[in-house]
Amino acid sequence: DQQVKQNSPSLSVQEGRISILNCDYTNSMFDYFLWYKKYPAEGPTFLISISSIKDKNEDGRFTVFLNKSAKHLSLHIVPSQPGDSAVYFCAARENRDDKIIFGKGTRLHILP
Amino acid sequence: SQTIHQWPATLVQPVGSPLSLECTVEGTSNPNLYWYRQAAGRGLQLLFYSIGIDQISSEVPQNLSASRPQDRQFILSSKKLLLSDSGFYLCAWSSKVGQGNTEAFFGQGTRLTVV
Repeated sequence: DQQVKQNSPSLSVQEGRISILNCDYTNSMFDYFLWYKKYPAEGPTFLISISSIKDKNEDGRFTVFLNKSAKHLSLHIVPSQPGDSAVYFCAARENRDDKIIFGKGTRLHILP
Repeated sequence: SQTIHQWPATLVQPVGSPLSLECTVEGTSNPNLYWYRQAAGRGLQLLFYSIGIDQISSEVPQNLSASRPQDRQFILSSKKLLLSDSGFYLCAWSSKVGQGNTEAFFGQGTRLTVV
């Protein structure tokens, strides 16, 4: 049973436009949500996180929004740049045991 | 600063052979440690996580085992590899709740091909 779901396997966005990556979760015990970026044959790199007690966190071009009632979060990248092309993983941490669960990822293509 | 080392980077092993992947963390103490596998279309699947020496939880039934003989060392093993064990294996560490940042930091990964 998937606790963290990224339902879009891929997304294509024009350079300069906004990229919106979505994530849904089912476990109410998650207290932190994280976004990672991954290139092939490399480990994921951390981008941004949000506590479950907040609804928005912004860091430069990256903003994460959390809708707790809908159990949904999204990552906004604006403006999108060619170097943003990668696989993006949504992840969530359980407050009981520090376990971090990942979604299946969304491959983002930034088009010139 | 904290660093995580994972080796080897690539590995080709025959079916039925043993496996040992090693991961070590420097610059922190008492970290949480994780082994993930990225298989095609499956995302990052949590295999094992550990909150301390000899405290390891297995998340999915599988042909693999993990050990944590020292505080900052995490080892992934198998006695007999299967073809289905092929994948990209990632080690990660994080701080305990309330003791630092919330995110996990990853090693560079090991590409395992079982032939």
